[in-house]
Amino acid sequence: AQSVTQPDIHITVSEGASLELRCNYSYGATPYLFWYVQSPGQGLQLLLKYFSGDTLVQGIKGFEAEFKRSQSSFNLRKPSVHWSDAAEYFCAVGISSYKLIFGSGTRLLVRP
Amino acid sequence: NAGVMQNPRHLVRRRGQEARLRCSPMKGHSHVYWYRQLPEEGLKFMVYLQKENIIDESGMPKERFSAEFPKEGPSILRIQQVVRGDSAAYFCASSPPWDFSGNTIYFGEGSWLTVV
Repeated sequence: AQSVTQPDIHITVSEGASLELRCNYSYGATPYLFWYVQSPGQGLQLLLKYFSGDTLVQGIKGFEAEFKRSQSSFNLRKPSVHWSDAAEYFCAVGISSYKLIFGSGTRLLVRP
Repeated sequence: NAGVMQNPRHLVRRRGQEARLRCSPMKGHSHVYWYRQLPEEGLKFMVYLQKENIIDESGMPKERFSAEFPKEGPSILRIQQVVRGDSAAYFCASSPPWDFSGNTIYFGEGSWLTVV
């Protein structure tokens, strides 16, 4: 069955430190992969997506993610976190042209 | 170009009442999707609609929930006889008619339903 696992429910980092949020997926075919960010009480904003080609994907707000087929992973990274990055982050896999399977999210807290 | 518009943003209903959530897709988009986010969980697919057609409702609860996307006007997600377990954020998304890859799915800001 298709699934997305985000093993870290909460992550706390200091402002200026680097960040990596983990995402593992289970899907038989070549996946479409997404990272979304959700601020409290707000909707989803697409950070980046992977469809094909270069496995290192650049997104908005200085985020990047790397697709590793051998590990079934699509981890999100940022070299230097800002306080405004505090939010919930969702990884998703597209299993059809319209159906996304979301992970349960990772809440990022940023220490001043 | 306005994004996906959802209203109301927040809705409070007593148990047994009806909830109607509206979604206006982005201009030029003819595909609409509804997702539900229960507290502390990720979003889960509910239904996919095109104008006047339900394409896939495999994620919709079998009872009390219905969705439509009429020829004119917004898409409506209707929940009859709400129960506390329906309390959630309901997200609408849309994409253009030529998108068959999910490449251009845009989400609205969500409607938060609270059942008291």
